Amino acid sequence: KAGVTQTPRYLIKTRGQQVTLSCSPISGHRSVSWYQQTPGQGLQFLFEYFSETQRNKGNFPGRFSGRQFSNSRSEMNVSTLELGDSALYLCASSLGTADYGYTFGSGTRLTVV
Amino acid sequence: QKEVEQNSGPLSVPEGAIASLNCTYSDRGSQSFFWYRQYSGKSPELIMSIYSNGDKEDGRFTAQLNKASQYVSLLIRDSQPSDSATYLCAVNLGAGGTSYGKLTFGQGTILTVHP
Repeated sequence: KAGVTQTPRYLIKTRGQQVTLSCSPISGHRSVSWYQQTPGQGLQFLFEYFSETQRNKGNFPGRFSGRQFSNSRSEMNVSTLELGDSALYLCASSLGTADYGYTFGSGTRLTVV
Repeated sequence: QKEVEQNSGPLSVPEGAIASLNCTYSDRGSQSFFWYRQYSGKSPELIMSIYSNGDKEDGRFTAQLNKASQYVSLLIRDSQPSDSATYLCAVNLGAGGTSYGKLTFGQGTILTVHP
């Protein structure tokens, strides 16, 4: 069974640019959550989508947005990049409830210069 | 007070010993609890989930949950050098809609198992 696939693995962007990250969940999983991981703040929740609807959102500015498609694949977008957005971005998929846990992808390492 | 707090590390144990990792959480209504292991440069890997009070064992790993004390722990028996990693406690804080898909993580405990 294929795991959670995130693309690209690495990105280097310039301040002010925008970026789109992609996440393909495990087959059959309808929930996709996004997290930002930095050495200083640890893992922080960005948002969660289930059946194309955002069910939950973390405390991030509006520059961070996401969406989910009918095949459960999800994208997150960060506009007007700042140096502080440099981080590992992780997505996690689940069946939709917590009963079976959340499986993480390998992440996208974003560097803003 | 942090919403999910882990015992400060780093934790160093000899090979073959029991490693004990602890975590407390703020929301009494929380119902789902997870332990993840993260190797340096890798993504978190789910090693245990627990939902009911008591102990849950899986191989060398035992998770313990005490909802009254808002406390969850992970014991690793017969620790091996390959267990050296950061261990993250994660909680679906609250219940129902407020917790959908949202894990709140502790800051992590770095475990080193030395031969």
